[in-house]
Amino acid sequence: DAKTTQPNSMESNEEEPVHLPCNHSTISGTDYIHWYRQLPSQGPEYVIHGLTSNVNNRMASLAIAEDRKSSTLILHRATLRDAAVYYCILAGSTDKLIFGTGTRLQVFP
Amino acid sequence: NAGVMQNPRHLVRRRGQEARLRCSPMKGHSHVYWYRQLPEEGLKFMVYLQKENIIDESGMPKERFSAEFPKEGPSILRIQQVVRGDSAAYFCASSPRGQEGSPLHFGNGTRLTVT
Repeated sequence: DAKTTQPNSMESNEEEPVHLPCNHSTISGTDYIHWYRQLPSQGPEYVIHGLTSNVNNRMASLAIAEDRKSSTLILHRATLRDAAVYYCILAGSTDKLIFGTGTRLQVFP
Repeated sequence: NAGVMQNPRHLVRRRGQEARLRCSPMKGHSHVYWYRQLPEEGLKFMVYLQKENIIDESGMPKERFSAEFPKEGPSILRIQQVVRGDSAAYFCASSPRGQEGSPLHFGNGTRLTVT
């Protein structure tokens, strides 16, 4: 399974945009890039996923580099409820998600 | 459409007892995944099942652990003769088809405490 690298932690203030980076230099051509987040005492929650093109949904945007070796999850306006651990995961053909340690996002009022 | 339902939410067992964790996937979902999360650690894949079949159990301990997803009813993760090291949060996820390209929907977990 291809690996991802994320910063251990990031901080943001409320109402500001947040850019969460993820490096995946060994990504294969068929790997999807998935983002999940986990709030305290809850199960992981799907955020967004993409293959090659940038993606937008009501929660976030996903910007994928042209060579697909990195991607960025963008929260356009952070709220206190966005404080969570964010996981960037490559989904290959093995049909299971392999979670790393993720990025712990702190949001300050 | 109800989400993934796991029960019980909390389970306390003494060493040597059996623990049964249940997971009802979202309606229309035939793929179920179980994960374990130790305190302050990430989620570890345990097993992937489709209806009546185990597809991938590479993350499941060879002894004491078993999982099933019968044709009718919830998926069950069973831990026999629990030990203190089994204390963790166990999460179930479901999807309508194989996970590649298809998001997983997670339940809120069962927190197992072994005393």
